[in-house]
Amino acid sequence: GESVGLHLPTLSVQEGDNSIINCAYSNSASDYFIWYKQESGKGPQFIIDIRSNMDKRQGQRVTVLLNKTVKHLSLQIAATQPGDSAVYFCAERGAFNKFYFGSGTKLNVKP
Amino acid sequence: EPEVTQTPSHQVTQMGQEVILRCVPISNHLYFYWYRQILGQKVEFLVSFYNNEISEKSEIFDDQFSVERPDGSNFTLKIRSTKLEDSAMYFCASSEHSGANVLTFGAGSRLTVL
Repeated sequence: GESVGLHLPTLSVQEGDNSIINCAYSNSASDYFIWYKQESGKGPQFIIDIRSNMDKRQGQRVTVLLNKTVKHLSLQIAATQPGDSAVYFCAERGAFNKFYFGSGTKLNVKP
Repeated sequence: EPEVTQTPSHQVTQMGQEVILRCVPISNHLYFYWYRQILGQKVEFLVSFYNNEISEKSEIFDDQFSVERPDGSNFTLKIRSTKLEDSAMYFCASSEHSGANVLTFGAGSRLTVL
């Protein structure tokens, strides 16, 4: 079956620095890859997505990079803020809108 | 901003008891989902629902689970006879259409089975 996993369980960064969260996936047939953010006590919240035929997509302070050769996905957060502290999940979209989530990376932003 | 609401926020039940978790999806959304997250683990797909029927379910969603949309607003997940391993956070989500990557999740219902 599909497998989406994360390289690091916890990432600590200084406020103002850039953050890079990585993810590996195994299902090359997924048409979209998505990043979700989960703050404590809340459900996952959509951040950004990227179609499988793209390499890069930028949002507000976030950039997602997709490397299909090595099946790697990353989320870059510019000028990380304390409000960015959360668990970040990568996910891939399968058939019938079935999303496969990775196990998450906890981002700690130090003031 | 529209949101998905879930009740109860936390339910404690005895093994073997029936549990119903309730969700009110966003009003103009047509696709509904249940996911669960065992403590410290990844978010897992359970079931998707459209046009009053299940469109996809995972191997977790066995005969003990059922979903229903009893009226125009509520979407429920029922576990008929809870097991210890059903203890988890259950998230309801909804989306506007089938191709949407933006699932709007509720805050979750924590189920503790003793």
